[in-house]
Amino acid sequence: EAGVTQSPRYAVLQEGQAVSFWCDPISGHDTLYWYQQPRDQGPQLLVYFRDEAVIDNSQLPSDRFSAVRPKGTNSTLKIQSAKQGDTATYLCASSLGCSGNTLYFGEGSRLIVV
Amino acid sequence: AQSVTQPDARVTVSEGASLQLRCKYSYFGTPYLFWYVQYPRQGLQLLLKYYPGDPVVQGVNGFEAEFSKSNSSFHLRKASVHWSDWAVYFCAVSSITGNTGKLIFGLGTTLQVQP
Repeated sequence: EAGVTQSPRYAVLQEGQAVSFWCDPISGHDTLYWYQQPRDQGPQLLVYFRDEAVIDNSQLPSDRFSAVRPKGTNSTLKIQSAKQGDTATYLCASSLGCSGNTLYFGEGSRLIVV
Repeated sequence: AQSVTQPDARVTVSEGASLQLRCKYSYFGTPYLFWYVQYPRQGLQLLLKYYPGDPVVQGVNGFEAEFSKSNSSFHLRKASVHWSDWAVYFCAVSSITGNTGKLIFGLGTTLQVQP
């Protein structure tokens, strides 16, 4: 069974540029999560979906970050006008939605903003 | 609010020695608890998870963890560390109610293994 797939693996931007990260979850998983992991820190939840619906985006900087999952399968996280503080690894995870179920993580997309 | 504290940013042990990585959680009631491991340039992989029941949970590669409600802790243990265990270990908490599944992570503990 294929795991969670993310692309690109790496991105280097100048401040003010935009970038999109793509995630393909495990087939059949209805819940998809985007986490931000700054260097030497734990993952911090940005947003998560149940099917195509946003369940919680309270930690998503809405002025520059957006995330969609239009068909309830793949998802895209977009950062507009990137800042140096956005430098981090962006992790996608998927699960079957019930509490306590295991989250399966992709390898992450590492972003450096200079 | 839910939170997780991993008080040790870095732990160094000799290969073959025993290991304990500490985790304290804050949660009203009994949560689900998890330990994940992150190897260099890889995503997080599940080591073990706790559901209400037996307080000692067995995981992969000889890891186990013990839940203590009185101490609000979920410490990770291994009897004999191998060099391949060098990685970052994250403790996480999830709500039992609300059918959310989302995890709140600690800052992580880096395990270094000396030969």
